[in-house]
Amino acid sequence: QSALTQPASVSGSPGQSITISCTGTSSDIGNNHYVSWYQQHPGKAPKLMIYEVTDRPSGISFRFSGSKSANTASLTISGLQPEDEADYYCSSFSRSGTMLFGGGTKVTVL
Amino acid sequence: EVQLVESGGGLVQPGRSLRLSCAVSGFSFDDYAMHWVRQAPGKGLEWVSGISWNSGSIGYADSVKGRFTISRDTAKNSLYLQMNSLRTEDMALYYCVKGGWADWTNGDYFDYWGQGTLVTVSS
Repeated sequence: QSALTQPASVSGSPGQSITISCTGTSSDIGNNHYVSWYQQHPGKAPKLMIYEVTDRPSGISFRFSGSKSANTASLTISGLQPEDEADYYCSSFSRSGTMLFGGGTKVTVL
Repeated sequence: EVQLVESGGGLVQPGRSLRLSCAVSGFSFDDYAMHWVRQAPGKGLEWVSGISWNSGSIGYADSVKGRFTISRDTAKNSLYLQMNSLRTEDMALYYCVKGGWADWTNGDYFDYWGQGTLVTVSS
């Protein structure tokens, strides 16, 4: 199974908005609404930020939002804050009967 | 409070076996799918295996198929991963992860993660 494609890094200044893309195929992202996003700080376990493309778990800031168009999903962080600096991973169910992750995107707050 | 506590990691020689365990609490274990996800040092996340609430649906990544076996014991509120014929490329931090649905085979997400158990494969 091929991993989903994410940019290696994205950066922004405090208060700005950034968007992380996650590109798959018609067999995964383009085929279902089970796209999710995870935040991972160094030395910590990943944390669910967005599930089923657009939904936020309880306790996750409204500054985090998700969307999808065709085979590409996106995570937008609005009002960027220093604590948002972390690695972010997308995930999708695949029609091959597996779960896939993207390679990860390092977000830097300038 | 949801808790997932992995154990069983350690140093093992290539070709040998290891069994990981995950003790869970804080939610109804037999209502949800469970997964193992691994992360090699300095690398990204890789889904390893998933099992549905009743063990009726099981899946593996191609990289471990035929060598790893996932299982669960409802009476013990525990998830397991039997890893045979270990390779150096299996060296990683292995996370026990709760799924958001009972049956992952139509899609799922990972809403709670353990802290991981480290597997080192080296001669």
